[in-house]
Amino acid sequence: GAVVSQHPSRVICKSGTSVKIECRSLDFQATTMFWYRQFPKKSLMLMATSNEGSKATYEQGVEKDKFLINHASLTLSTLTVTSAHPEDSSFYICSARLAGAGDTQYFGPGTRLTVL
Amino acid sequence: AQKVTQAQTEISVVEKEDVTLDCVYETRDTTYYLFWYKQPPSGELVFLIRRNSFDEQNEISGRYSWNFQKSTSSFNFTITASQVVDSAVYFCALSEYRSDMRFGAGTRLTVKP
Repeated sequence: GAVVSQHPSRVICKSGTSVKIECRSLDFQATTMFWYRQFPKKSLMLMATSNEGSKATYEQGVEKDKFLINHASLTLSTLTVTSAHPEDSSFYICSARLAGAGDTQYFGPGTRLTVL
Repeated sequence: AQKVTQAQTEISVVEKEDVTLDCVYETRDTTYYLFWYKQPPSGELVFLIRRNSFDEQNEISGRYSWNFQKSTSSFNFTITASQVVDSAVYFCALSEYRSDMRFGAGTRLTVKP
């Protein structure tokens, strides 16, 4: 149990375009999901906390107008990178927190974004 | 503020050796959770274990064991008789009650045949 899927797994786009990444909890409901960014050989950096039915909470330094987060249901959160630039190229990982599991987060397989 | 330190950036061992990955944490909360995750080359983070602050009992799961010591604020992870498939980056993480999870920098483990 506690499976999280992420789509797409890999995307290449042109500079200036927008990219949407989906994160789904497949076998449980998640009132809270998280979006992380990971640079090569680095740790995970929390970008934002996504709460179902309310606005996301962004970490300091993360542009909310650039990284749009929507958590429309208990099983789906989306991250849209708007007007992508090459510096947005990274590995984006989502996670979903399983209620009653001591704050355990289960992670999706990640999305590798390359902006040309 | 919560903080996790994994001082070992990279470790290389030969298959069948035992290896311990260190994790030291800082928190002012009395209620918190500690985690270990494995990130193989594929990139997906695999949940290994969760410990809450009130449970200092050590745990063993197959070749994996964890030593939680509140007195030294450490939550170390030992792999016994390491195998090539254990090669990955291992992250220690801390979550204060109902708060965000903070990750250590990770330890890259390479197990050579």
